[in-house]
Amino acid sequence: QKEVEQNSGPLSVPEGAIASLNCTYSDRGSQSFFWYRQYSGKSPELIMFIYSNGDKEDGRFTAQLNKASQYVSLLIRDSQPSDSATYLCAVNIRSGNTPLVFGKGTRLSVIA
Amino acid sequence: NAGVTQTPKFRILKIGQSMTLQCTQDMNHNYMYWYRQDPGMGLKLIYYSVGAGITDKGEVPNGYNVSRSTTEDFPLRLELAAPSQTSVYFCASCGVSNEQFFGPGTRLTVL
Repeated sequence: QKEVEQNSGPLSVPEGAIASLNCTYSDRGSQSFFWYRQYSGKSPELIMFIYSNGDKEDGRFTAQLNKASQYVSLLIRDSQPSDSATYLCAVNIRSGNTPLVFGKGTRLSVIA
Repeated sequence: NAGVTQTPKFRILKIGQSMTLQCTQDMNHNYMYWYRQDPGMGLKLIYYSVGAGITDKGEVPNGYNVSRSTTEDFPLRLELAAPSQTSVYFCASCGVSNEQFFGPGTRLTVL
């Protein structure tokens, strides 16, 4: 069974702080990794994806991948109340357009 | 581009009724997916399709059927609805980097 694990939270951070969201996966052969944001009652929307070890930055978001330790994280700098949502980690265990395996998500609350 | 659209937004079914959830995408994506999401849970894959005429089962296919006659459309059929099928259903299509774009969802209640 291919698994993607996330702490369900809630993770509470003050406005302006860095929020750190973590995800571990069980399949060492996993190829690509995705972070989605889901507001309550809405559909998931893609934040960013990462394929290679290291960091990838996009605006206030940084994805970090460590394949040796089988974890991927998402950092949100200068957190805003509008960042309050559930963040889903998803993993593609094979190359190409194969189905993603999703974690259950971490609920983030940014306190003003 | 409208992206991925789903109808209906909400539906209440009685036990044993059937219905079809519609999904259409205008991005010319070959890959499409159906997920269900129960409260506090992640997304579970029901069925997926790699192109017109080709479908395959996901993690939780029992009680559902799909078809893919065109690139744009990927309807999900529920036969003999059961309370266990109460959920939010999301359709998604897949871009070239395997990033998935989701529709707005259908909230289904079976009573």
